[in-house]
Amino acid sequence: SQQGEEDPQALSIQEGENATMNCSYKTSINNLQWYRQNSGRGLVHLILIRSNEREKHSGRLRVTLDTSKKSSSLLITASRAADTASYFCATDAGANNLFFGTGTRLTVIP
Amino acid sequence: DTEVTQTPKHLVMGMTNKKSLKCEQHMGHRAMYWYKQKAKKPPELMFVYSYEKLSINESVPSRFSPECPNSSLLNLHLHALQPEDSALYLCASSQDGVGGYTFGSGTRLTVV
Repeated sequence: SQQGEEDPQALSIQEGENATMNCSYKTSINNLQWYRQNSGRGLVHLILIRSNEREKHSGRLRVTLDTSKKSSSLLITASRAADTASYFCATDAGANNLFFGTGTRLTVIP
Repeated sequence: DTEVTQTPKHLVMGMTNKKSLKCEQHMGHRAMYWYKQKAKKPPELMFVYSYEKLSINESVPSRFSPECPNSSLLNLHLHALQPEDSALYLCASSQDGVGGYTFGSGTRLTVV
């Protein structure tokens, strides 16, 4: 299976705290992407990091990528209740397909 | 227009029914995808269309039949489904696999 794995499976934090999610994958990649999914709805693309990049920022999001360890992390700073959702990493190995990790369920308590 | 539109949002069908899921995008994306997502699981790739041609079929049973009538539309025809096929079906598009994917809000399918 090309599916990646994320940890933790679930994370509960207070509003204002930072949240960190980790993703490990198995194959070589062109890029790695992070998506958010609110309960039972479609996925929203958050950020993409290419295989030759090590770190990327977008607003309150910071993503790192370590291709030697085949791992990535997503940091959400100063979390808000509206950040409550499931977060998935997804790997793009080319050939026009995207494989999703197992996901982290984030709950931000107001 | 920066959206992927899926219809219907909810569908309940019997095991002998034939139904279709529809997906539409007007972003000029040339790659379109069907994913299946079971509760509390990640999305699983089913089919990929690139330039209106089926390029990937992830060993999906023949009771699921995709169709791409033109570059903006993607259908998923359903026939003789099983209760275990109940899931959220997500359509997505991308600029020929470059960059992030844009997902629709999905069709919640229940097979009874």
